[in-house]
Amino acid sequence: KQEVTQIPAALSVPEGENLVLNCSFTDSAIYNLQWFRQDPGKGLTSLLLIQSSQREQTSGRLNASLDKSSGRSTLYIAASQPGDSATYLCAVGYTGANSKLTFGKGITLSVRP
Amino acid sequence: NAGVTQTPKFQVLKTGQSMTLQCAQDMNHEYMSWYRQDPGMGLRLIHYSVGAGITDQGEVPNGYNVSRSTTEDFPLRLLSAAPSQTSVYFCASSLTLAGGNEQFFGPGTRLTVL
Repeated sequence: KQEVTQIPAALSVPEGENLVLNCSFTDSAIYNLQWFRQDPGKGLTSLLLIQSSQREQTSGRLNASLDKSSGRSTLYIAASQPGDSATYLCAVGYTGANSKLTFGKGITLSVRP
Repeated sequence: NAGVTQTPKFQVLKTGQSMTLQCAQDMNHEYMSWYRQDPGMGLRLIHYSVGAGITDQGEVPNGYNVSRSTTEDFPLRLLSAAPSQTSVYFCASSLTLAGGNEQFFGPGTRLTVL
Protein backbone atom coordinates (compact mmCIF):
# COMPACT_ATOMS: atom_id res chain seq x y z
CA LYS A 1 0.00 0.00 0.00
CA GLN A 2 1.38 3.38 -0.99
CA GLU A 3 1.92 5.72 1.92
CA VAL A 4 2.59 9.43 1.89
CA THR A 5 3.98 11.03 5.02
CA GLN A 6 4.28 14.67 5.97
CA ILE A 7 6.20 15.55 9.11
CA PRO A 8 5.81 17.60 11.22
CA ALA A 9 2.04 17.97 11.36
CA ALA A 10 2.35 21.63 12.35
CA LEU A 11 4.97 24.34 12.00
CA SER A 12 5.19 27.91 13.29
CA VAL A 13 7.74 30.37 11.92
CA PRO A 14 8.34 34.14 12.09
CA GLU A 15 7.55 36.27 9.06
CA GLY A 16 10.35 36.53 6.53
CA GLU A 17 11.84 33.11 7.17
CA ASN A 18 12.61 30.74 4.30
CA LEU A 19 11.15 27.35 5.03
CA VAL A 20 10.96 23.81 3.67
CA LEU A 21 8.00 21.46 3.93
CA ASN A 22 8.76 17.77 3.48
CA CYS A 23 6.81 14.96 1.87
CA SER A 24 7.96 11.33 1.68
CA PHE A 25 6.43 8.39 -0.16
CA THR A 26 7.04 4.65 -0.03
CA ASP A 27 6.64 3.62 -3.67
CA SER A 28 9.03 5.30 -6.10
CA ALA A 29 7.02 4.26 -9.21
CA ILE A 30 5.14 7.53 -9.20
CA TYR A 31 3.62 9.37 -12.16
CA ASN A 32 3.59 12.80 -10.62
CA LEU A 33 3.41 14.68 -7.34
CA GLN A 34 1.18 17.62 -6.58
CA TRP A 35 1.31 20.18 -3.77
CA PHE A 36 -1.93 21.74 -2.55
CA ARG A 37 -2.84 24.55 -0.19
CA GLN A 38 -5.95 24.41 1.99
CA ASP A 39 -7.22 27.39 3.95
CA PRO A 40 -9.48 26.72 6.96
CA GLY A 41 -12.98 25.76 5.87
CA LYS A 42 -12.03 25.84 2.20
CA GLY A 43 -11.22 23.43 -0.59
CA LEU A 44 -7.82 22.47 -1.97
CA THR A 45 -5.96 24.77 -4.32
CA SER A 46 -3.29 23.29 -6.55
CA LEU A 47 0.09 24.99 -6.11
CA LEU A 48 2.56 22.96 -8.14
CA LEU A 49 2.55 19.75 -10.16
CA ILE A 50 5.81 17.89 -10.80
CA GLN A 51 5.87 15.14 -13.40
CA SER A 52 8.01 12.09 -12.63
CA SER A 53 10.50 13.13 -15.32
CA GLN A 54 11.03 16.54 -13.72
CA ARG A 55 13.23 17.52 -10.80
CA GLU A 56 11.51 20.72 -9.76
CA GLN A 57 8.83 23.30 -10.48
CA THR A 58 8.68 26.96 -9.51
CA SER A 59 5.86 29.43 -9.08
CA GLY A 60 6.65 32.80 -7.57
CA ARG A 61 8.05 32.29 -4.06
CA LEU A 62 7.34 28.56 -4.20
CA ASN A 63 9.69 25.87 -5.41
CA ALA A 64 8.91 22.17 -5.31
CA SER A 65 11.52 19.48 -5.86
CA LEU A 66 11.19 15.77 -6.47
CA ASP A 67 13.68 12.97 -5.78
CA LYS A 68 12.08 9.69 -6.79
CA SER A 69 15.03 7.54 -5.80
CA SER A 70 14.86 8.66 -2.19
CA GLY A 71 11.06 8.95 -2.15
CA ARG A 72 11.03 12.62 -1.20
CA SER A 73 9.61 15.94 -2.26
CA THR A 74 10.11 19.34 -0.69
CA LEU A 75 8.14 22.54 -0.98
CA TYR A 76 10.34 25.58 -0.44
CA ILE A 77 8.65 28.85 0.52
CA ALA A 78 10.84 31.92 0.29
CA ALA A 79 10.39 34.98 2.49
CA SER A 80 7.30 33.63 4.25
CA GLN A 81 4.36 35.96 4.93
CA PRO A 82 1.37 35.72 7.32
CA GLY A 83 -0.80 35.13 4.23
CA ASP A 84 1.08 31.85 3.68
CA SER A 85 -0.55 30.45 6.82
CA ALA A 86 -2.54 27.40 5.70
CA THR A 87 -2.36 23.63 5.52
CA TYR A 88 -0.11 22.25 2.78
CA LEU A 89 -0.80 18.78 1.40
CA CYS A 90 1.19 16.69 -1.00
CA ALA A 91 -0.44 14.03 -3.16
CA VAL A 92 1.32 11.35 -5.17
CA GLY A 93 -0.08 10.03 -8.42
CA TYR A 94 0.77 6.45 -9.30
CA THR A 95 0.77 4.67 -12.62
CA GLY A 96 -1.56 1.86 -13.51
CA ALA A 97 -5.00 1.33 -14.99
CA ASN A 98 -6.69 2.55 -11.82
CA SER A 99 -4.26 5.29 -11.01
CA LYS A 100 -5.32 7.42 -8.10
CA LEU A 101 -3.87 10.03 -5.85
CA THR A 102 -2.55 9.17 -2.42
CA PHE A 103 -2.56 12.13 -0.04
CA GLY A 104 -0.43 13.01 2.93
CA LYS A 105 -2.22 14.35 6.00
CA GLY A 106 -0.79 17.82 5.54
CA ILE A 107 1.38 20.30 7.40
CA THR A 108 -0.38 23.22 9.09
CA LEU A 109 1.83 26.28 8.72
CA SER A 110 1.50 29.38 10.84
CA VAL A 111 3.58 32.44 9.91
CA ARG A 112 3.78 34.90 12.81
CA PRO A 113 3.89 38.65 12.03
CA ASN B 1 -14.91 28.69 -16.32
CA ALA B 2 -16.60 27.97 -12.99
CA GLY B 3 -14.26 25.04 -12.41
CA VAL B 4 -15.62 22.43 -10.00
CA THR B 5 -18.80 23.38 -8.18
CA GLN B 6 -20.48 21.60 -5.27
CA THR B 7 -23.87 22.01 -3.67
CA PRO B 8 -24.94 22.35 -0.96
CA LYS B 9 -22.14 23.97 1.06
CA PHE B 10 -23.60 22.84 4.38
CA GLN B 11 -26.11 20.13 5.27
CA VAL B 12 -27.50 18.65 8.47
CA LEU B 13 -29.22 15.27 8.30
CA LYS B 14 -30.86 12.95 10.76
CA THR B 15 -29.74 9.33 10.98
CA GLY B 16 -31.44 7.28 8.29
CA GLN B 17 -32.18 10.15 5.92
CA SER B 18 -30.91 10.06 2.37
CA MET B 19 -29.55 12.87 0.27
CA THR B 20 -27.51 13.66 -2.83
CA LEU B 21 -24.41 15.82 -2.93
CA GLN B 22 -24.06 17.51 -6.27
CA CYS B 23 -20.81 18.02 -8.18
CA ALA B 24 -20.33 19.57 -11.60
CA GLN B 25 -17.36 20.66 -13.71
CA ASP B 26 -17.21 22.68 -16.90
CA MET B 27 -13.66 21.80 -18.00
CA ASN B 28 -14.62 18.71 -20.04
CA HIS B 29 -12.65 16.51 -17.66
CA GLU B 30 -13.01 12.76 -18.01
CA TYR B 31 -11.92 11.84 -14.47
CA MET B 32 -14.01 12.81 -11.45
CA SER B 33 -13.81 11.65 -7.88
CA TRP B 34 -15.25 12.07 -4.40
CA TYR B 35 -13.19 12.32 -1.22
CA ARG B 36 -14.05 12.72 2.41
CA GLN B 37 -11.79 14.60 4.78
CA ASP B 38 -11.77 13.81 8.47
CA PRO B 39 -9.47 15.13 11.25
CA GLY B 40 -6.42 12.92 11.60
CA MET B 41 -7.44 10.74 8.65
CA GLY B 42 -6.57 12.98 5.74
CA LEU B 43 -8.37 12.70 2.42
CA ARG B 44 -9.86 9.33 1.54
CA LEU B 45 -11.24 8.34 -1.84
CA ILE B 46 -14.89 7.26 -1.84
CA HIS B 47 -15.74 6.66 -5.52
CA TYR B 48 -14.34 7.74 -8.84
CA SER B 49 -15.26 7.79 -12.51
CA VAL B 50 -13.00 7.65 -15.56
CA GLY B 51 -15.75 8.79 -17.92
CA ALA B 52 -19.50 8.93 -18.49
CA GLY B 53 -21.12 5.63 -17.62
CA ILE B 54 -18.04 4.28 -15.78
CA THR B 55 -17.65 4.35 -12.00
CA ASP B 56 -15.59 2.41 -9.50
CA GLN B 57 -15.05 2.16 -5.76
CA GLY B 58 -12.33 3.89 -3.86
CA GLU B 59 -11.00 3.29 -0.37
CA VAL B 60 -14.20 3.92 1.64
CA PRO B 61 -17.25 3.26 -0.61
CA ASN B 62 -19.68 1.71 1.89
CA GLY B 63 -22.86 3.73 2.39
CA TYR B 64 -22.39 5.77 -0.79
CA ASN B 65 -23.60 5.44 -4.38
CA VAL B 66 -22.52 7.30 -7.49
CA SER B 67 -23.52 7.51 -11.13
CA ARG B 68 -22.06 9.35 -14.12
CA SER B 69 -24.66 9.94 -16.81
CA THR B 70 -22.88 12.98 -18.27
CA THR B 71 -19.27 14.17 -18.45
CA GLU B 72 -20.13 17.25 -16.40
CA ASP B 73 -21.96 15.80 -13.39
CA PHE B 74 -20.98 13.31 -10.72
CA PRO B 75 -23.48 13.18 -7.84
CA LEU B 76 -22.80 11.32 -4.59
CA ARG B 77 -25.76 9.70 -2.86
CA LEU B 78 -25.95 8.81 0.80
CA LEU B 79 -28.42 5.96 1.04
CA SER B 80 -29.15 5.98 4.78
CA ALA B 81 -27.08 8.57 6.63
CA ALA B 82 -25.14 7.55 9.72
CA PRO B 83 -23.23 9.71 12.24
CA SER B 84 -20.00 8.14 10.95
CA GLN B 85 -20.64 9.94 7.66
CA THR B 86 -20.26 13.33 9.32
CA SER B 87 -17.40 14.79 7.33
CA VAL B 88 -16.34 17.31 4.72
CA TYR B 89 -16.85 15.99 1.20
CA PHE B 90 -14.78 17.15 -1.75
CA CYS B 91 -15.33 16.53 -5.41
CA ALA B 92 -12.35 16.68 -7.77
CA SER B 93 -11.74 16.40 -11.48
CA SER B 94 -8.84 16.04 -13.88
CA LEU B 95 -8.37 15.73 -17.61
CA THR B 96 -7.81 11.99 -17.55
CA LEU B 97 -6.58 9.52 -14.95
CA ALA B 98 -5.95 10.92 -11.49
CA GLY B 99 -2.35 9.85 -11.35
CA GLY B 100 -1.35 11.61 -14.51
CA ASN B 101 -2.91 15.03 -14.36
CA GLU B 102 -3.44 18.07 -12.20
CA GLN B 103 -6.43 17.70 -9.91
CA PHE B 104 -8.96 20.48 -9.42
CA PHE B 105 -11.09 20.49 -6.28
CA GLY B 106 -14.47 21.92 -5.44
CA PRO B 107 -15.09 24.03 -2.31
CA GLY B 108 -16.55 21.14 -0.33
CA THR B 109 -19.79 20.17 1.38
CA ARG B 110 -19.81 20.10 5.16
CA LEU B 111 -22.19 17.37 6.30
CA THR B 112 -23.37 16.70 9.83
CA VAL B 113 -25.44 13.61 10.62
CA LEU B 114 -27.24 13.71 13.95
